[in-house]
Amino acid sequence: SQQGEEDPQALSIQEGENATMNCSYKTSINNLQWYRQNSGRGLVHLILIRSNEREKHSGRLRVTLDTSKKSSSLLITASRAADTASYFCATPGRAGGTSYGKLTFGQGTILTVHP
Amino acid sequence: DGGITQSPKYLFRKEGQNVTLSCEQNLNHDAMYWYRQDPGQGLRLIYYSQIVNDFQKGDIAEGYSVSREKKESFPLTVTSAQKNPTAFYLCASSIGQPRGNQPQHFGDGTRLSIL
Repeated sequence: SQQGEEDPQALSIQEGENATMNCSYKTSINNLQWYRQNSGRGLVHLILIRSNEREKHSGRLRVTLDTSKKSSSLLITASRAADTASYFCATPGRAGGTSYGKLTFGQGTILTVHP
Repeated sequence: DGGITQSPKYLFRKEGQNVTLSCEQNLNHDAMYWYRQDPGQGLRLIYYSQIVNDFQKGDIAEGYSVSREKKESFPLTVTSAQKNPTAFYLCASSIGQPRGNQPQHFGDGTRLSIL
């Protein structure tokens, strides 16, 4: 079963607006990662937030993590047409467990930014 | 430039045929991974390898085989036992254990179809 589940499944906005995507997960984690995938391409790592961090920024990206609610959000501010892509959250297995070193990906959010 | 190279970009398989997808990395990463992605879906782990000459089954290993004879290379064979091989296959690598849970770097994928 998928560890992370993104919401919404699809998001359509105008250029300049902010885009917010959410991710929920089931078990405790050491960190949570966000990836981007352009159509027909591989995934690109965007940002990693550790379990002891609540918020992290990278350029126009802002990621929050709420371990009590087992959820994370990715905010893209002042979106551009070039931000059109699928966005995935991923959670790693814990050390000592059978899933250690593996990432489990959610289903993704398809973001479309209209010029 | 360091990165991951997957080849071919497109591959067609005939009934009863085995096909091999290539994945090469020059990032000096210990860990390598193979994922399958179906349309509109997230990634599912097929096989992974944390070190040369060792690999483990992922969540959907049936009908697939791998080898890890060199650090740089992790080829995936889709055997005739895989009855529904049509998908987008992604290879990834990461620093691996003992620094597990590190971001993964992806190739640009191989799209496999049945003739």
